[in-house]
Amino acid sequence: SQKIEQNSEALNIQEGKTATLTCNYTNYSPAYLQWYRQDPGRGPVFLLLIRENEKEKRKERLKVTFDTTLKQSLFHITASQPADSATYLCAQFTGNQFYFGTGTSLTVIP
Amino acid sequence: EAGVAQSPRYKIIEKRQSVAFWCNPISGHATLYWYQQILGQGPKLLIQFQNNGVVDDSQLPKDRFSAERLKGVDSTLKIQPAKLEDSAVYLCASSPTGSRGETQYFGPGTRLLVL
Repeated sequence: SQKIEQNSEALNIQEGKTATLTCNYTNYSPAYLQWYRQDPGRGPVFLLLIRENEKEKRKERLKVTFDTTLKQSLFHITASQPADSATYLCAQFTGNQFYFGTGTSLTVIP
Repeated sequence: EAGVAQSPRYKIIEKRQSVAFWCNPISGHATLYWYQQILGQGPKLLIQFQNNGVVDDSQLPKDRFSAERLKGVDSTLKIQPAKLEDSAVYLCASSPTGSRGETQYFGPGTRLLVL
């Protein structure tokens, strides 16, 4: 079955810096990748979608890249703020299944 | 517009007991999903409904888990009997049509602890 790997360790960065989160997948290339944000005690909230024929997608301070050769998506938050602290999940639809990664916990230090 | 509603928010039961969770999706959304999220892991899809029909239940442990969406609106997920490893957050999500790439809107989840 498809396997999705995200940074296993928590990521701590200084406010104002760019946070970069990684999502790697094995086996099948997805038609698209989604990124969600999850705060403690709450359900995931959709942030961005990138399709396999797109290299990059931007939304305000967020940027997602998709490299089907490397089987990897990178998620960037520029000019990070303490309010960006959360767990970020990547997700993909492959075959007939929808898979989520394990998530990366991000803490932005003031 | 109102979001996805779930109840209860928390539930503590003993192993071998039964438990049921309820979900009311966003009005007009045809597709409803149930996920299990174990602590430290990403959500795992258990079952997907399109209106009142099952699209995918390949990861649902059917010997103990069941779900229904009788009128194509709200849904119930049941566990009978519960095991210790069922301790997790059960998330419900909905989307307008269920087409690929469509945004899923999640509820707050039900946190289950099996003792």
